[in-house]
Amino acid sequence: AQKITQTQPGMFVQEKEAVTLDCTYDTSDQSYGLFWYKQPSSGEMIFLIYQGSYDEQNATEGRYSLNFQKARKSANLVISASQLGDSAMYFCAMRGPISSGSARQLTFGSGTQLTVLP
Amino acid sequence: DSGVTQTPKHLITATGQRVTLRCSPRSGDLSVYWYQQSLDQGLQFLIQYYNGEERAKGNILERFSAQQFPDLHSELNLSSLELGDSALYFCASSVGRGSSYEQYFGPGTRLTVT
Repeated sequence: AQKITQTQPGMFVQEKEAVTLDCTYDTSDQSYGLFWYKQPSSGEMIFLIYQGSYDEQNATEGRYSLNFQKARKSANLVISASQLGDSAMYFCAMRGPISSGSARQLTFGSGTQLTVLP
Repeated sequence: DSGVTQTPKHLITATGQRVTLRCSPRSGDLSVYWYQQSLDQGLQFLIQYYNGEERAKGNILERFSAQQFPDLHSELNLSSLELGDSALYFCASSVGRGSSYEQYFGPGTRLTVT
């Protein structure tokens, strides 16, 4: 079974500063994928970034980067130069191996509420 | 805008009733997923369809059912509603193949059961 743990229920960061949101995962699969989603107060889920378990380099998408440490089973999201619009709930999620049925669903963590302070 | 559409945006109904939530995936996406987000359970996968066929089932109650039509839109039917079914229901879509399987979410339908 897959499990995602996000230990920070809430985080605060000053505008223009960088922030790291923690995510650890548990799986016995060798092949898997890790995702981060953003959920603003309006409720929609916005895909941010993806990291495959065999990807050698950490994923980056604009101001978002994923600090992937496979041995530690962690996939932390780093947001650089925080903006007020980054205030939202952030979810870490994973899928299983492509060859298995568990690739067809995402397992989500409990989320971290990020507040960017002016 | 993810390209996934869901209707209605809000739904208020009484216990014991039945409702239908509708989802249209992104153009070209063959897979549709349904998720439930509630305060006590968090985000949970319910069911997935690929090109009209059920492919995976998660924590979906027997009172709930879904289908995907030939035009690839999907409907989630919730019956004999209980107070605990109040939640935000998301539809997501993906191409259904490739290496990442990233899913793009619709805006959700907020269901309130009174």
